[in-house]
Amino acid sequence: GDSVTQMEGPVTLSEEAFLTINCTYTATGYPSLFWYVQYPGEGLQLLLKATKADDKGSNKGFEATYRKETTSFHLEKGSVQVSDSAVYFCALGNTDKLIFGTGTRLQVFP
Amino acid sequence: GAVVSQHPSWVICKSGTSVKIECRSLDFQATTMFWYRQFPKQSLMLMATSNEGSKATYEQGVEKDKFLINHASLTLSTLTVTSAHPEDSSFYICSVPPGTGLSNQPQHFGDGTRLSIL
Repeated sequence: GDSVTQMEGPVTLSEEAFLTINCTYTATGYPSLFWYVQYPGEGLQLLLKATKADDKGSNKGFEATYRKETTSFHLEKGSVQVSDSAVYFCALGNTDKLIFGTGTRLQVFP
Repeated sequence: GAVVSQHPSWVICKSGTSVKIECRSLDFQATTMFWYRQFPKQSLMLMATSNEGSKATYEQGVEKDKFLINHASLTLSTLTVTSAHPEDSSFYICSVPPGTGLSNQPQHFGDGTRLSIL
């Protein structure tokens, strides 16, 4: 069945460092891909999405490109801030349901 | 503004109590809603799909009699944790999908309910 594999955390970075969180997927058909962010004690917020191959989703300085050839959707940001500290979930949508990765905790220190 | 309202945000109660969590779709009608459970430092696990006017569809391993779901209207779904015990302590999150056949659109999530059973 469909699945999402996400790099384990925590990822610990200094402010202004470059961020990459890896995400790969297995799916039939043509899924949509999402990154959600969860701040402490809160629900999930959509960060960005891509609906077809080679699409690039971007928001708040974060980017991810839908790579069908490598079945990947890695999240990147050129310069992280302390306020980016949160848990990031990669997710796949192939029907009405979402399949989540295990989440990656990002900790950014000043 | 918020698209999905989940209430309460935090519940602490004694073992054996039944707890009801509400999920409201504020901006549009939802024939389907999803209920997730999240253990500390883990991912979201889909528990069930709530269907307006019919029975909920439960994922494998989820006890129907323990987690009662009622989707009585197009804007409200409730999850009742019956006779809750400490092992039921968790973070419960609901979501509202954009609609059938719109898997390329994001789901809208509630802010979650932290349930602590003493």
